[in-house]
Amino acid sequence: IQLTQSPSLLSASVGDRVTLSCKGSQNINNYLAWYQQKLGEAPKLLIYNTNSLQTGIPSRFSGSGSGTDYTLTISSLQPEDVATYFCYQYNNGLTFGSGTKLEIK
Amino acid sequence: EVQLVESGGGLVQPGRSLKLSCAASGFTFSNYYMAWVRQAPTKGLEWVASITNSGGSTYYRDSVKGRFTISRDNAKSTLYLQMDSLRSEDTATYYCTRDPGAGYWYFDFWGPGTMVTVSS
Repeated sequence: IQLTQSPSLLSASVGDRVTLSCKGSQNINNYLAWYQQKLGEAPKLLIYNTNSLQTGIPSRFSGSGSGTDYTLTISSLQPEDVATYFCYQYNNGLTFGSGTKLEIK
Repeated sequence: EVQLVESGGGLVQPGRSLKLSCAASGFTFSNYYMAWVRQAPTKGLEWVASITNSGGSTYYRDSVKGRFTISRDNAKSTLYLQMDSLRSEDTATYYCTRDPGAGYWYFDFWGPGTMVTVSS
């Protein structure tokens, strides 16, 4: 399964509601996770199984979707959210999307 | 606290071998599947290999099958990746990762990574 993330670059203001998209080439059956990677660091798990929030992750992060289309939402963007976000599917093979780089405007 | 610490990376010539290690602590290592994920410079993430908690089954991406071997020593809480016949396209940071259980197939904890550069 190929994953397409959009946009590849997103610039938003602090406090904005931000939506990142991930689209699969086939049905993912909700076996989708989201990772945050800050510059120079290892990825961190944010969301698994489409909408389950990993322990310790702020509640401003949420996930949704079904079938081939999935979304990561940050309800109120904070400066520390600057990072690249990757979606990852584990329904058929194990593949990552190419990432969305999130910047502060 | 879960900790994963990789070691063994470095500069190696094409065709040569390298063995990565990952020391795990803060959890019962023998209860968890483990995996290696890599990231080429300025590129995205790529799953490399996984191993069951007992070590009885292993899984690889096609591009490394027959060249890489994932293994584990549960008595030492250590994960390994033996990399043979290395190619320039294997250049990447290699992350040791933990599956949150026995076969969930996503990764809840990651080590800081170890860099492997394949170049003459």
